[in-house]
Amino acid sequence: DAGVTQSPTHLIKTRGQQVTLRCSPKSGHDTVSWYQQALGQGPQFIFQYYEEEERQRGNFPDRFSGHQFPNYSSELNVNALLLGDSALYLCASSFRQGSDEQYFGPGTRLTVT
Amino acid sequence: SQQGEEDPQALSIQEGENATMNCSYKTSINNLQWYRQNSGRGLVHLILIRSNEREKHSGRLRVTLDTSKKSSSLLITASRAADTASYFCATAHTGNFNKFYFGSGTKLNVKP
Repeated sequence: DAGVTQSPTHLIKTRGQQVTLRCSPKSGHDTVSWYQQALGQGPQFIFQYYEEEERQRGNFPDRFSGHQFPNYSSELNVNALLLGDSALYLCASSFRQGSDEQYFGPGTRLTVT
Repeated sequence: SQQGEEDPQALSIQEGENATMNCSYKTSINNLQWYRQNSGRGLVHLILIRSNEREKHSGRLRVTLDTSKKSSSLLITASRAADTASYFCATAHTGNFNKFYFGSGTKLNVKP
């Protein structure tokens, strides 16, 4: 049974560029949440997708957007990249919105130069 | 902010000793969870404790929750070098239990 997978593992982008990160949830899960983790900090909630709609959002600007596909996989898009967007981006999946436990993927390390 | 805070920020102990980490939060919760993270990679779920529970055990882990003080503690007994990692508490708050708020973590170093 595959857990949560994320791609790519590492990514280097230039300021102003756009990036797309991908996540496949654990088998049987239908809800995907995205978190940003800056170096030395705890993860910060970006948003959550369920039934292909954004259901909740954290305190992140509109440059951060996402999508969920019918197979429950998800993408995180960040436009007009800033140096401060450099972080580990974590995807977590769960079964239905109300599930207590979230299973995290290994993350994508984004570096903006 | 509803973000929890872990204490201490860093902890260094010898193998075989016990390690205790604390977490405090500000508003009422539905549940509190502890995660481990090795070398900036993905988070591994350790244990979940609900707001109506006071203590839970899982192997060498013991978690307590005091909702009156809005605090939780994680005890790792008989620590091993492999326990070296960062430990985070995450809170799911009443009425909004899908969104987890993480603290900044405790970095545990277990010396062999």
